[in-house]
Amino acid sequence: QSALTQPASVSGSPGQSITISCTGTSSDVGSYNYVSWYQQHPGKAPKLMIYDVSNRPSGVSNRFSGSKSGNTASLTISGLQAEDEADYYCSSYTSSTTVFGTGTKVTVL
Amino acid sequence: EVQLVQSGAEVKKPGESLKISCKGSGYSFTSYWIGWVRQMPGKGLEWMGIIYPDDSNTRYSPSFQGQVTISADKSISTAYLQWSRLRASDTAMYYCARLKGSYPSFCDYWGQGTLVTVSS
Repeated sequence: QSALTQPASVSGSPGQSITISCTGTSSDVGSYNYVSWYQQHPGKAPKLMIYDVSNRPSGVSNRFSGSKSGNTASLTISGLQAEDEADYYCSSYTSSTTVFGTGTKVTVL
Repeated sequence: EVQLVQSGAEVKKPGESLKISCKGSGYSFTSYWIGWVRQMPGKGLEWMGIIYPDDSNTRYSPSFQGQVTISADKSISTAYLQWSRLRASDTAMYYCARLKGSYPSFCDYWGQGTLVTVSS
């Protein structure tokens, strides 16, 4: 299984909205509604932000939203804040295992 | 409160064996899969494999099949990741995580990570 493809970096100013894409294939993202997104600050463990494409766990800000179209999933962060600066990883279920995305560094300008 | 507490950092030599642990608390340990994730220095997350502690049903990512062994002792709510012969390329941070969802498909709680350094 190859890693899902994410842009290496995305940036935005405070208050703006940004979208991170996560492109897979018909064997992973395209076949299952089991895409999740994780936020990782430097030196910290990942944190679940979105599961099953568009569901937010309790405690996660509603500024984070997820969607999917075909083989590509997306994470949108609206009202960008300084604390959102981190690495973001998508993941998808595929053929009895899970594959992560390549990761995206979000910079708040 | 759900917690996954991992064992401490390790420094090993190539060829040595190692077993790191992940102890769950605050939930029914036998009712959720536990997964292991590797993060090499400066790199992304890699899915290694998962285990269901109740019956030790284990699934490995193809990339890690045969390279590591995942096990669990449900009597002490602890999962393990083991190497029989370490290589320098095993140097990484290793996270355990509790899994939920169908198949299961996502990690809702994570351990703090165990840093493994393999160097001669």
